[in-house]
Amino acid sequence: DSGVTQTPKHLITATGQRVTLRCSPRSGDLSVYWYQQSLDQGLQFLIQYYNGEERAKGNILERFSAQQFPDLHSELNLSSLELGDSALYFCASSAGSRDAGELFFGEGSRLTVL
Amino acid sequence: GQSLEQPSEVTAVEGAIVQINCTYQTSGFYGLSWYQQHDGGAPTFLSYNALDGLEETGRFSSFLSRSDSYGYLLLQELQMKDSASYFCAFNDYKLSFGAGTTVTVRA
Repeated sequence: DSGVTQTPKHLITATGQRVTLRCSPRSGDLSVYWYQQSLDQGLQFLIQYYNGEERAKGNILERFSAQQFPDLHSELNLSSLELGDSALYFCASSAGSRDAGELFFGEGSRLTVL
Repeated sequence: GQSLEQPSEVTAVEGAIVQINCTYQTSGFYGLSWYQQHDGGAPTFLSYNALDGLEETGRFSSFLSRSDSYGYLLLQELQMKDSASYFCAFNDYKLSFGAGTTVTVRA
């Protein structure tokens, strides 16, 4: 158990819909990272937050947005969903803003868009 | 641009040694990490090299040469449970992952 909690574990929805994925980092960690993993693919970095502020942005679509709240949990919002958005979405955390060498990953949220 | 290259698949028998090579290209680099992922599960941290040289953690070792933009993960005394995907990732203040190497261990 990494200490990172993600909900929901599974989500099935239709094209055009909007979903919100939630992540609670390990106790004491201030950084949250979001990754997308499509079938048999590597992990694609989406976005990083540190103590409530956006720190780094990857290839995140404009239809996607994220935020980190004062209690440090984070939410990833996916809107106008398309079939290609079906993937595993992982959240990871680390203590600082620049110690990405060792990230602790949650179990992921599996999104299926029909 | 940024890139990471690692072999797509490796197969070996129980008890063998496997080396997974990783070459990278990036303008910002602070270290190389290795992660293991069992089918559909969470990636788990194996090793991190910030400096050149060898890091040993039990049956797993990782090596980095910054001048060659190259690293490897060495899996020794392979066990069936080591069948998984292994990812190298470089730290540029986030983690950028390679496509992964699927390791299959046969009896």
